[in-house]
Amino acid sequence: AQSVTQLDSQVPVFEEAPVELRCNYSSSVSVYLFWYVQYPNQGLQLLLKYLSGSTLVKGINGFEAEFNKSQTSFHLRKPSVHISDTAEYFCAVGSGGSYIPTFGRGTSLIVHP
Amino acid sequence: DAGITQSPRHKVTETGTPVTLRCHQTENHRYMYWYRQDPGHGLRLIHYSYGVKDTDKGEVSDGYSVSRSKTEDFLLTLESATSSQTSVYFCAISDTGGLGNEQFFGPGTRLTVL
Repeated sequence: AQSVTQLDSQVPVFEEAPVELRCNYSSSVSVYLFWYVQYPNQGLQLLLKYLSGSTLVKGINGFEAEFNKSQTSFHLRKPSVHISDTAEYFCAVGSGGSYIPTFGRGTSLIVHP
Repeated sequence: DAGITQSPRHKVTETGTPVTLRCHQTENHRYMYWYRQDPGHGLRLIHYSYGVKDTDKGEVSDGYSVSRSKTEDFLLTLESATSSQTSVYFCAISDTGGLGNEQFFGPGTRLTVL
């Protein structure tokens, strides 16, 4: 079975500050991981994903995430956030033979001017 | 943007009434999914389809049924709506069942059951 935990339900930050959104997963087999973003009143869209290879994954809008197998984590980072990054962020994990990922509960990123 | 539409976008209904939500795609993707999104719960899978007339249950399927008679349409039916089914419903599609395949999401349907 696979599961994912997003450790923070809400992360407030000031514009141009760095941010890290935390995600931990559990799975007994190899995994693949996603970060999705949901802007207000919209559906989700993919930010980045990890399948294999380099543990540092770069995505759209300046976001990146690092896969850490020993800590079972896939934290999302951005060195300098903008007001427009205010959104809900979802981490998702898939593993084994399942092609359907399990989503976390989401982290609300609130960027203040 | 992937061609996914959901209808209706908003609906208010009363307890006990049947409700059908429609997801329509123009991408010819094989896989389609229905999720519900609730505060504190994130996205939870209701049902999914891996081809025409091929569907299976997700983690929160009780009280819901689905049908897929054409590649482009995936219907979600609440046979007798309850207040606990008040939620935002998202349809998603993906083109393969391979590991790590990206899902594309529709704009959502906000359903309120009074």
